[in-house]
Amino acid sequence: DIQMTQSPASLSASLGETVTIECLASEDIYSNLAWYQQKPGKSPQLLIYYANSLNDGVPSRFSGSGSGTQYSLKINSLQSEDVSIYFCQQNYDSPWTFGGGTKLELK
Amino acid sequence: QVKLLQSGAALVKPGASVKMSCKASGYTFTDYWVSWVKQSHGKSLEWIGEIYPNSGATNFNEKFKGKATLTVDKSTSTAYMELSRLTSEDSAIYYCTRYGTTVATFDYWGQGVMVTVSS
Repeated sequence: DIQMTQSPASLSASLGETVTIECLASEDIYSNLAWYQQKPGKSPQLLIYYANSLNDGVPSRFSGSGSGTQYSLKINSLQSEDVSIYFCQQNYDSPWTFGGGTKLELK
Repeated sequence: QVKLLQSGAALVKPGASVKMSCKASGYTFTDYWVSWVKQSHGKSLEWIGEIYPNSGATNFNEKFKGKATLTVDKSTSTAYMELSRLTSEDSAIYYCTRYGTTVATFDYWGQGVMVTVSS
């Protein structure tokens, strides 16, 4: 199975700040990577697919980048509604696997 | 609009089974794979398996083979997952998701079913 390692596990940032979350795959996943946002008490929602494509309706302050085994999610100008847990997920090879999540809080 | 409506929370005894449902609307049910995902301890996510409603074809994470059974009812656009021989390790939230062909990943999620295994 492909292992997905996310860092950091938790993150505290101020409103307006830029934050970056990293995701490392145990092998090359050829940009078959998605990012999800999970707000408290809700189901995950797709933010980014194919590593850097923004899903419909997702604010442009979210962006994804990376290739090979290393990927990142950047949130510009952090808003209060961005407080969530963020997950990466590979869809290159079954079983589809997720990172352990990054909990983003406001400072 | 696409919706996946899941059944309610379940409290089940160890050793028993539980069957949950996921009713799809807003799209052609038979055209998209439906996956099931487990969320334990409020954080980590695990893919359980998937079913293609048109044919009933399934694929599973090896870890969940023998634990999960996936079925569909095309007449009601509903997917089902049954978990058997439940233990405390099966206490979790279970989500159904749609695999979107354009985005090549899970584009819509149900609201989740909380399963608690306790005597």
